[in-house]
Amino acid sequence: GQQVMQIPQYQHVQEGEDFTTYCNSSTTLSNIQWYKQRPGGHPVFLIQLVKSGEVKKQKRLTFQFGEAKKNSSLHITATQTTDVGTYFCAGAGGGNKLTFGTGTQLKVEL
Amino acid sequence: NAGVTQTPKFQVLKTGQSMTLQCAQDMNHEYMSWYRQDPGMGLRLIHYSVGAGITDQGEVPNGYNVSRSTTEDFPLRLLSAAPSQTSVYFCASSFGQSEAFFGQGTRLTVV
Repeated sequence: GQQVMQIPQYQHVQEGEDFTTYCNSSTTLSNIQWYKQRPGGHPVFLIQLVKSGEVKKQKRLTFQFGEAKKNSSLHITATQTTDVGTYFCAGAGGGNKLTFGTGTQLKVEL
Repeated sequence: NAGVTQTPKFQVLKTGQSMTLQCAQDMNHEYMSWYRQDPGMGLRLIHYSVGAGITDQGEVPNGYNVSRSTTEDFPLRLLSAAPSQTSVYFCASSFGQSEAFFGQGTRLTVV
């Protein structure tokens, strides 16, 4: 079945440093979504990418979808303490399933 | 706007007990799903439904049953609870493969 791997599992940064998490699918995706989960909370949708090679920005966050539609990345510029949480990618393949990656837990230190 | 409502928020069960986790959404979404979240494992799909009367298995369906008699409700039943089912459970709904809205989660402990 479809597998979605995400690296790194954990990342500690100093406030102001950049952060990137990578997502790789074993199969071609129709779209990829990114979610953020604050500690003790539930996943909250950030963005969806559909087109091959697509790049989208949300303030300090930049999302990319690979040309082959099998990989994606989320880059945060100049992290802030409000960025703390776990970031998940989720791949939509065939059969209406959304397969989540294992997540990257981001900690930001002052 | 209630969105996706899950009950209960917390539950402790003894091994062998059964229970139902409730999930309701008021957004008229046809797609609903249940995930479990364990440390280091991400969100794993248990069961999902693409509409009333239609359900299918996800990645980890054993020990769980679902039904979808209405568009709004998608309960998850634990038939005979086991310690391995200690986890945080999330229900989600969406229009097809678009943005998924999650409930607040149910933290389940099986002793």
